[in-house]
Amino acid sequence: GAVVSQHPSRVICKSGTSVKIECRSLDFQATTMFWYRQFPKQSLMLMATSNEGSKATYEQGVEKDKFLINHASLTLSTLTVTSAHPEDSSFYICSASWTGKKTQYFGPGTRLLVL
Amino acid sequence: SQQGEEDPQALSIQEGENATMNCSYKTSINNLQWYRQNSGRGLVHLILIRSNEREKHSGRLRVTLDTSKKSSSLLITASRAADTASYFCATDARDGNKLVFGAGTILRVKS
Repeated sequence: GAVVSQHPSRVICKSGTSVKIECRSLDFQATTMFWYRQFPKQSLMLMATSNEGSKATYEQGVEKDKFLINHASLTLSTLTVTSAHPEDSSFYICSASWTGKKTQYFGPGTRLLVL
Repeated sequence: SQQGEEDPQALSIQEGENATMNCSYKTSINNLQWYRQNSGRGLVHLILIRSNEREKHSGRLRVTLDTSKKSSSLLITASRAADTASYFCATDARDGNKLVFGAGTILRVKS
């Protein structure tokens, strides 16, 4: 149980374009979803926390107008990287959980390469 | 911000040996968790230890927590090549459900 999927798994785009990444909880209702970014050989950095039906809470230093997060249902959250630049190239990982649960269930990640 | 520091940063051992990884943190916590990440993949939850617990076991995993020293250790006994991965500790703030991850330990088990 508690399976989370992400799509796409890999994406290559040109600088200036926007990329949308989907995160889905397949067998549970995720009241909260989290978006992380991970650079090579580094740890996960939390970008934002998203609660279903409300605006995402962004971590300090993360531009909310650049990283648009939508959590419209209890099984889907999307992260849109707008006007992507090469420095946005990274591994983006989502996780999901539900109220009262301390464990997070992670998706397999999306590798973004901006040329 | 990162609050967990882990050591060693990298560990290379032979199959069958034990692997010990340590994690230190800075603020008060409710729980501490350990996660595993295979290269280029998402994280898998291994074990959660509550702040009022001192030791917990799960299969070949043994986790200790010392809240007075703000540190935890993860021991993997009788390691296997398949244990090769990065291991992260994660702590939660007392007032929320966010996790703060440590820097991680890269474990390589040679067969």
